[in-house]
Amino acid sequence: GDSVTQMEGPVTLSEEAFLTINCTYTATGYPSLFWYVQYPGEGLQLLLKATKADDKGSNKGFEATYRKETTSFHLEKGSVQVSDSAVYFCALSDGSSNTGKLIFGQGTTLQVKP
Amino acid sequence: NAGVMQNPRHLVRRRGQEARLRCSPMKGHSHVYWYRQLPEEGLKFMVYLQKENIIDESGMPKERFSAEFPKEGPSILRIQQVVRGDSAAYFCASSPPGNYGYTFGSGTRLTVV
Repeated sequence: GDSVTQMEGPVTLSEEAFLTINCTYTATGYPSLFWYVQYPGEGLQLLLKATKADDKGSNKGFEATYRKETTSFHLEKGSVQVSDSAVYFCALSDGSSNTGKLIFGQGTTLQVKP
Repeated sequence: NAGVMQNPRHLVRRRGQEARLRCSPMKGHSHVYWYRQLPEEGLKFMVYLQKENIIDESGMPKERFSAEFPKEGPSILRIQQVVRGDSAAYFCASSPPGNYGYTFGSGTRLTVV
C-alpha cells in the first residue's frame, strides 16, 4: 500500500540555519502531497501542498517540490527561526480509496536554538 | 468562522469505562475524518464520515470503537471498555466536499488509567 517515510528526528539547528527535512513516498497513481506542522499541544496545520509532479508548494518561507522521478517531497527553509520549532509531518492523499484519506509519515521534530 | 472544535481537550478514563469524543466541523464542511496519534508516531486514519453516513471505516479497530455524524450535532467517536492501549491523541478534521484541504481540530488527549 501507499506509504510515507520521513527522516528521523529530532533535527536540531541554530537560528538562521538552512533546513531540509527529507520525505519520500510510495504510491499508486498520482497522489497529492502535503506538509503539516504541529506545535506543542495543538492540532495539525497545513503548511503547504502540491498536487502534481514538478509543482512547488510554498508558505511562510518553507517550500517543497513534488519530484515524481525520485518520489520525494523534501521540505526546505533558508533561514529557520526559534518559532519554527515543531513537529513536521509529510503526507499523501490515498489515491486508491478516493475518499480524501491522508497517509502520514511518522513526523520529524525540529528544535531551533537561539 | 470558528475552526474545527473538539472536546474535551483532555479526557481521563479508567480501564473498562467508555470514552466519548466530540467534533464539530467548520461551518459548511460536510466531511469529517478521525485520526489517532499514538505517542511518537504519525497520525493514522480511522474513519471518514459524511452526514448520517460512514463512508470509510477501514482504519477503525473491529471492536469497541464506533463513530457517527448525525444530521444535527457533532460527530462522535465512541470507545467502549477502554484499555491502556487506547491512550492517544484523537484528531478530527473536516473538509468541504471533494477537497483535500483539511482543517484539523486541536485534538482530544485520552489517557486511560
